[in-house]
Amino acid sequence: GAVVSQHPSRVICKSGTSVKIECRSLDFQATTMFWYRQFPKQSLMLMATSNEGSKATYEQGVEKDKFLINHASLTLSTLTVTSAHPEDSSFYICSAFRTGRSYNEQFFGPGTRLTVL
Amino acid sequence: DAKTTQPPSMDCAEGRAANLPCNHSTISGNEYVYWYRQIHSQGPQYIIHGLKNNETNEMASLIITEDRKSSTLILPHATLRDTAVYYCIVRPFLDTGRRALTFGSGTRLQVQP
Repeated sequence: GAVVSQHPSRVICKSGTSVKIECRSLDFQATTMFWYRQFPKQSLMLMATSNEGSKATYEQGVEKDKFLINHASLTLSTLTVTSAHPEDSSFYICSAFRTGRSYNEQFFGPGTRLTVL
Repeated sequence: DAKTTQPPSMDCAEGRAANLPCNHSTISGNEYVYWYRQIHSQGPQYIIHGLKNNETNEMASLIITEDRKSSTLILPHATLRDTAVYYCIVRPFLDTGRRALTFGSGTRLQVQP
């Protein structure tokens, strides 16, 4: 299957700082990527849809000025958590959409665990 | 996408078959049944999908009832590494809207030694 990577896998930061998480599709081009957030013992919640070359679409309740998404190329999307606070501590997972003549498949990255002190 | 219902948790003995049920009584004709799993602290992993016929791959088998209102994911010989949360998702195969997968609460499978 297709490979999606995330960097870093784990980050600890102080409250008030900004953190950038990268998501890359390694062996295919992805015009659409998604960012999810997962709190302990809960399911994945979609935060936003990232489209290459255009503004991201955010789900209701997700602050677009706090969670900045940039999808500048067909293989890279970044999520920046600005002025992070302890309540932003979570597991962030990206995924990339691979499309073809007979398939639309969504592949997931390994996730980034953010801890805000 | 059609709503799915799964038991919150299941146990299975190592080496035995794990049968995970999913109810999707409102599934429509163009919707497929997808199964993903998430091992602790990892991203979701695709397992299998099907429309109406039974499907099998190297990971699992998928049995869909004739009326398509329910399905069962079968892990034929469960190992400790199969301990994970399993998600059943129903959606059109060629989703030209490129909508993200929506995850319910899934079934937490615990494989016991």
